Amino acid sequence: SQTIHQWPATLVQPVGSPLSLECTVEGTSNPNLYWYRQAAGRGLQLLFYSVGIGQISSEVPQNLSASRPQDRQFILSSKKLLLSDSGFYLCAWSPPDWLPLRPAEAFFGQGTRLTVV
Amino acid sequence: ILNVEQSPQSLHVQEGDSTNFTCSFPSSNFYALHWYRWETAKSPEALFVMTLNGDEKKKGRISATLNTKEGYSYLYIKGSQPEDSATYLCASPHLAGGTSYGKLTFGQGTILTVHP
Repeated sequence: SQTIHQWPATLVQPVGSPLSLECTVEGTSNPNLYWYRQAAGRGLQLLFYSVGIGQISSEVPQNLSASRPQDRQFILSSKKLLLSDSGFYLCAWSPPDWLPLRPAEAFFGQGTRLTVV
Repeated sequence: ILNVEQSPQSLHVQEGDSTNFTCSFPSSNFYALHWYRWETAKSPEALFVMTLNGDEKKKGRISATLNTKEGYSYLYIKGSQPEDSATYLCASPHLAGGTSYGKLTFGQGTILTVHP
């Protein structure tokens, strides 16, 4: 069966420090991978998605970047954190053959609560 | 840009009450509607994926209906229990250039609290 691991669970970082959140998926090949964020009082917002190694698409302009160095590894990074980067970050995957007529669900990791101080 | 809206934002009910909440989405170019339950300190868990107008799905005491022509879905919980307390999210995939790659636009969620 497929599993998704995301770490760390919580993180407190000072403004201006770097960030690296990691997500790995097991039990599937060539998954679509996503990073979502929930800022305080807001819904889940898609930040990045990837359909393959090295292929990253950004949905919103921001202070963050994503990378996919391996098929089942997705990393969220920042060189210098801002206060506004605080929030709850979720990694997710979906099967690779997603089509509009076969709307597969997304499977989520347990999330990282990031507090920038 | 797809707008998915949920109401109410929060709901407090007593154990045993039945409750329902709404998800609204654009009816044009509809593909699917997802419902998730998100408990504190856990991953969002998929409840339903709905695609057909008039569809009704059920999982235990939870059920959902879908109206794609008018752009809404209802989630019902019958005989609420404290363990039903969670944030309920709906989401719809949005399409760009003929593909979506599973990208979901989420509503803000309905926070349900069931009091014993």
